[in-house]
Amino acid sequence: GAGVSQTPSNKVTEKGKYVELRCDPISGHTALYWYRQSLGQGPEFLIYFQGTGAADDSGLPNDRFFAVRPEGSVSTLKIQRTERGDSAVYLCASSLVPGMKTQYFGPGTRLLVL
Amino acid sequence: SQQGEEDPQALSIQEGENATMNCSYKTSINNLQWYRQNSGRGLVHLILIRSNEREKHSGRLRVTLDTSKKSSSLLITASRAADTASYFCATDNSGNTPLVFGKGTRLSVIA
Repeated sequence: GAGVSQTPSNKVTEKGKYVELRCDPISGHTALYWYRQSLGQGPEFLIYFQGTGAADDSGLPNDRFFAVRPEGSVSTLKIQRTERGDSAVYLCASSLVPGMKTQYFGPGTRLLVL
Repeated sequence: SQQGEEDPQALSIQEGENATMNCSYKTSINNLQWYRQNSGRGLVHLILIRSNEREKHSGRLRVTLDTSKKSSSLLITASRAADTASYFCATDNSGNTPLVFGKGTRLSVIA
């Protein structure tokens, strides 16, 4: 079956602009995670959804970052007033049930803020 | 913040040799996993070892866990050029806490 998909693959934007990154999890997976990975680093947790609700958003760096999952499937990560420091690869992962620790990752969206 | 620290940061070996990567972590864990990443894109789950396990095998992969030393190792035997990638350890503690990744080891296998 289809894996986790993310769109767009690459996004170039200008400082101060608003961006939306989309994640389609594996069908039936109730848990969805967003991570951010900077060059040479491991992924860092941003937010975790259990169904439609954000179960843990402690990793969001500030209030410019927001994510939604209105129907418990597709999720959108939204970044307002982008800054150059937001440039990174944004990874989405899903797991079948919350607490199932094996996560299935999408290919990521590479965001470049000029 | 990142809990795990992989060692070495980079490793270059000849095809057919074994590759050993180590991971150290700071707090108590429930599980430790190893993931592989090609070209800075999506991660692929390799193996999970629970805190009450000491060793696990999967094909050419062997993982050990020493909770007293808060460390794990990943051994890839008979390496192939296709094993070239970055390898990350990730830990979790109880409940639905998110995975915490290390910085990774970049493995290059030269044909």
